[in-house]
Amino acid sequence: GDSVTQTEGLVTLTEGLPVMLNCTYQSTYSPFLFWYVQHLNEAPKLLLKSFTDNKRPEHQGFHATLHKSSSSFHLQKSSAQLSDSALYYCALSRANTGKLTFGHGTILRVHP
Amino acid sequence: ETAVFQTPNYHVTQVGNEVSFNCKQTLGHDTMYWYKQDSKKLLKIMFSYNNKQLIVNETVPRRFSPQSSDKAHLNLRIKSVEPEDSAVYLCASSRDRASAETLYFGSGTRLTVL
Repeated sequence: GDSVTQTEGLVTLTEGLPVMLNCTYQSTYSPFLFWYVQHLNEAPKLLLKSFTDNKRPEHQGFHATLHKSSSSFHLQKSSAQLSDSALYYCALSRANTGKLTFGHGTILRVHP
Repeated sequence: ETAVFQTPNYHVTQVGNEVSFNCKQTLGHDTMYWYKQDSKKLLKIMFSYNNKQLIVNETVPRRFSPQSSDKAHLNLRIKSVEPEDSAVYLCASSRDRASAETLYFGSGTRLTVL
């Protein structure tokens, strides 16, 4: 079955340093990959999703590249901000169901 | 801007009681979902409905039953709650069930079972 692995449970960074949150996946299909972000006491919301034409999605300074050869979709940002502190989920979509399989999530804490 | 509305926000109850959670979306979407977010923040799908029809039913105890009166509403009933049911229940919707569709989540219902 489908699975998503986020190896870090918690990432702590100083403001201004680069962010990289890892995501690898396993799927028997050619999946779509997503990053969702959940700020404290809020609903999860979409941050990025992969394109079919190998374009690199970007939003709010974050970007991610789908590498089919390594089954990865790591989330990156060049400079962390305090407001980036949140829970980040990587997710995979299975064809024709819209069902999203989520990783365990990575908490990002950015401090001054 | 909220477009997926869940009630109640919180619910505290005792083992064995029945609870019901409501969800409504105003986006005109065809597909709705229930996800469970446990204490470790693991987010797992429970059910998915497309135009009032059940299309995804994960391995969920039989005491859980979803109900959909129309494509804008999806409720969740738990017949006899257990302590392990304590979690945040997140409702979501998407335009349809295609692979690349974005999920829009509600703010969740936090259930505490004493």
